[in-house]
Amino acid sequence: QSVLTQPPSVSAAPGQKVTISCSGSSSNIGKIYVSWYQQLPGTAPKLLIYDNDQRPSGIPDRFSGSKSGTSATLGITGLQTGDEADYYCGTWDSSLSAYVFGTGTKVTVL
Amino acid sequence: QVQLQESGPGLVKPSETLSLTCTVSGDSMSTHYWSWIRQPPGKGLEWIGYIYYSGTSKYNPSLKSRVTISMDTSKNQFSLRLSSVTAADSAVYYCAREYCNNTSCYFFDYWGQGTLVTVSS
Repeated sequence: QSVLTQPPSVSAAPGQKVTISCSGSSSNIGKIYVSWYQQLPGTAPKLLIYDNDQRPSGIPDRFSGSKSGTSATLGITGLQTGDEADYYCGTWDSSLSAYVFGTGTKVTVL
Repeated sequence: QVQLQESGPGLVKPSETLSLTCTVSGDSMSTHYWSWIRQPPGKGLEWIGYIYYSGTSKYNPSLKSRVTISMDTSKNQFSLRLSSVTAADSAVYYCAREYCNNTSCYFFDYWGQGTLVTVSS
């Protein structure tokens, strides 16, 4: 059972915007940077956002991250069919002394 | 370009030990932390643990009693051993490069393609 909670699914039409929440606690999101991963069907996860809001080289600025208190949010603007994937948040939990992932959110482009 | 590739048996019998190796190319293993992550079919991601070139390792408390991660820098490889496996250990196992300091870890920037391990008699 994950300590980081995400909505099971979100959906929107092409070109629209979606946001995915990641809710944690003072021992994880409230204390440490958050990262986000995109997992396309049948592939390995890919780093989208690190240190709450930083994009690795090659990640388009349609993807953005933010953090406030014990929650983090991933935003995707200009939604494309190629964005259909599972998205996971992740961070370190100081109480567990372990890296923890969110429950995952499936993005569907209508 | 950093690349990671998992290898090992795809089928393990219950109560036996699962052994996987990750071969790293394009990077020196002495500058990063190296991790294993798994994903049961249709489920989410679970961090198993990491190893640093100094030999320091850290494991998920839920698996700690059964896990060993080791490293062979001469071969640019690191390995996972998970003992006393059950069907619940059936999953895709990924190796990844992890950014950490001596107190916390932050993200995984390079991943292997993953290898499916099924525990069954």
